[in-house]
Amino acid sequence: QKEVEQNSGPLSVPEGAIASLNCTYSDRGSQSFFWYRQYSGKSPELIMSIYSNGDKEDGRFTAQLNKASQYVSLLIRDSQPSDSATYLCAVNANAGGTSYGKLTFGQGTILTVHP
Amino acid sequence: DADVTQTPRNRITKTGKRIMLECSQTKGHDRMYWYRQDPGLGLRLIYYSFDVKDINKGEISDGYSVSRQAQAKFSLSLESAIPNQTALYFCATSETGTPKEETQYFGPGTRLLVL
Repeated sequence: QKEVEQNSGPLSVPEGAIASLNCTYSDRGSQSFFWYRQYSGKSPELIMSIYSNGDKEDGRFTAQLNKASQYVSLLIRDSQPSDSATYLCAVNANAGGTSYGKLTFGQGTILTVHP
Repeated sequence: DADVTQTPRNRITKTGKRIMLECSQTKGHDRMYWYRQDPGLGLRLIYYSFDVKDINKGEISDGYSVSRQAQAKFSLSLESAIPNQTALYFCATSETGTPKEETQYFGPGTRLLVL
């Protein structure tokens, strides 16, 4: 089982719809969770971080974390063609409160928003 | 100016050649990382350094070496390049601290082709 797993997609949604991206992780000690967006040929850029169970909203983006289910998701409301990119889920491993300082990335989900 | 820079941005080399990829940062971060990205495989950690005197292997360090010349500089070397090292290489940095401070910031990437 991969440490961080995402549906590779591609996920295709119409403009204006909600895009839902999912990620599961295997390390129960993980405390920090990140969503990066990567346009083709470009570097990953952070769009959301979440550390506590529940929802965190930032503009059109909402991250959801459920540590009991080892599940983190990203919702993109009112999707735009400019949201078309690969979305990478990343998880920071920790043990007993001591951070390893490393991120493990999922393989990414390709999102296409069509007009 | 970009906070994290990588040189060169593109490189073509031949099998057996030794090459060096360089990373510099002006963010003042202690921690630096080298990743490679292959299609469908996400980002995989090659080496990481938590300070100038601390260098650690990542999950795919075979065939690579690194040098942390200063807090701001972290170089990746391919001792004898082989075609399956053809990939997109990213440098990243992060602060030292709580997990909340460990967001990683990526350079623009180096596209390497080994013939």
